[in-house]
Amino acid sequence: DQQVKQNSPSLSVQEGRISILNCDYTNSMFDYFLWYKKYPAEGPTFLISISSIKDKNEDGRFTVFLNKSAKHLSLHIVPSQPGDSAVYFCAAPPPPGSNYKLTFGKGTLLTVNP
Amino acid sequence: GAVVSQHPSRVICKSGTSVKIECRSLDFQATTMFWYRQFPKQSLMLMATSNEGSKATYEQGVEKDKFLINHASLTLSTLTVTSAHPEDSSFYICSAQTGGMNTEAFFGQGTRLTVV
Repeated sequence: DQQVKQNSPSLSVQEGRISILNCDYTNSMFDYFLWYKKYPAEGPTFLISISSIKDKNEDGRFTVFLNKSAKHLSLHIVPSQPGDSAVYFCAAPPPPGSNYKLTFGKGTLLTVNP
Repeated sequence: GAVVSQHPSRVICKSGTSVKIECRSLDFQATTMFWYRQFPKQSLMLMATSNEGSKATYEQGVEKDKFLINHASLTLSTLTVTSAHPEDSSFYICSAQTGGMNTEAFFGQGTRLTVV
């Protein structure tokens, strides 16, 4: 049972446009979410997070939106740059009281075309 | 952010031999480290959770006798792939967390293992 889902395996956008990466979750106990970026043959790097007490968190060109009622979050990148081309994973830490392991989505490959 | 160093970044070994991969947290103590394997087409598969001073917890379907994990200190966890076979060729990634809830995980650079 996949508790964190990224239903789009890939996304292609034009440089300068907005990239929107989506993530859905099923466990209503999740209260914190993270986005990671991964280049080929490298480990993921942390990008941005959001707590369930917020519905938006912004950091430069990156904004994450959280819709708790829909159990949906999205990462917006604007303007998109070719260097943003990578795989993006959303992840959720376990609910309080359980262990620390993150639950990852399967990732979305973003390609930003010059 | 915190730094996690993984070594080696690439290794080629012969079938039947064992390979050890190290994961170190350089500027923090990691009570918990995780080992992932990345399969083709992006997905990260959690293999095991490594807790300092205790036995690792393996995910379902992961052979603990084949993938030996040791977490001897708060800054070092090792993954040993024993009697490696070509199907073990993959990209292995470790991560470390400082502990506590809602803490982000910091990832190593990954190790590309090729078994010939």
